[in-house]
Amino acid sequence: EDQVTQSPEALRLQEGESSSLNCSYTVSGLRGLFWYRQDPGKGPEFLFTLYSAGEEKEKERLKATLTKKESFLHITAPKPEDSATYLCAVLKGEYGNKLVFGAGTILRVKS
Amino acid sequence: GAGVSQSPSNKVTEKGKDVELRCDPISGHTALYWYRQSLGQGLEFLIYFQGNSAPDKSGLPSDRFSAERTGGSVSTLTIQRTQQEDSAVYLCASSLAASGSDTQYFGPGTRLTVL
Repeated sequence: EDQVTQSPEALRLQEGESSSLNCSYTVSGLRGLFWYRQDPGKGPEFLFTLYSAGEEKEKERLKATLTKKESFLHITAPKPEDSATYLCAVLKGEYGNKLVFGAGTILRVKS
Repeated sequence: GAGVSQSPSNKVTEKGKDVELRCDPISGHTALYWYRQSLGQGLEFLIYFQGNSAPDKSGLPSDRFSAERTGGSVSTLTIQRTQQEDSAVYLCASSLAASGSDTQYFGPGTRLTVL
């Protein structure tokens, strides 16, 4: 069965303390892996799309990487405004264009 | 430009009533998606529309759920005879096209509470 698993479920960091979030997937025919950020009471906000193993993308303090089995979202020197739920999703050909989401990682950055 | 908009932002209804949720996609986006986000569960796909093609309804949880898209733009998700388990945030997304791996952009959601 196709699965997307994110870890940890929750992460508390001090401001400036770098860390990584993990998204592992077991799907065949991966067409793309997406990272979204979701703030309370809002819809998911697009961050990155990764298409093939070895690909990396960066935006401000965030960097996403992809291997054949997992993706990492690296957060460098986080700030309190980076606090949010980070969602990973895979786009699978078998499902057409449906995104299959992980449960998310709740990140809290304290000043 | 304007993003995906949804209305209402909040809806409280009584069990057994019908509700309609509206989504306005990003202008020019031909693909439109509905997802549901329940407490303790991740986002789950409900239905998607692509141009004039027949919609993919494979994620709809029961026949009480239906959706339509008029004129290739605005979409309405209808839930008939609402049940308490229908309480969730209903999210709409749109993308430029459903071919390839186009990014889906989400609206703010409608929070539905069934009493």
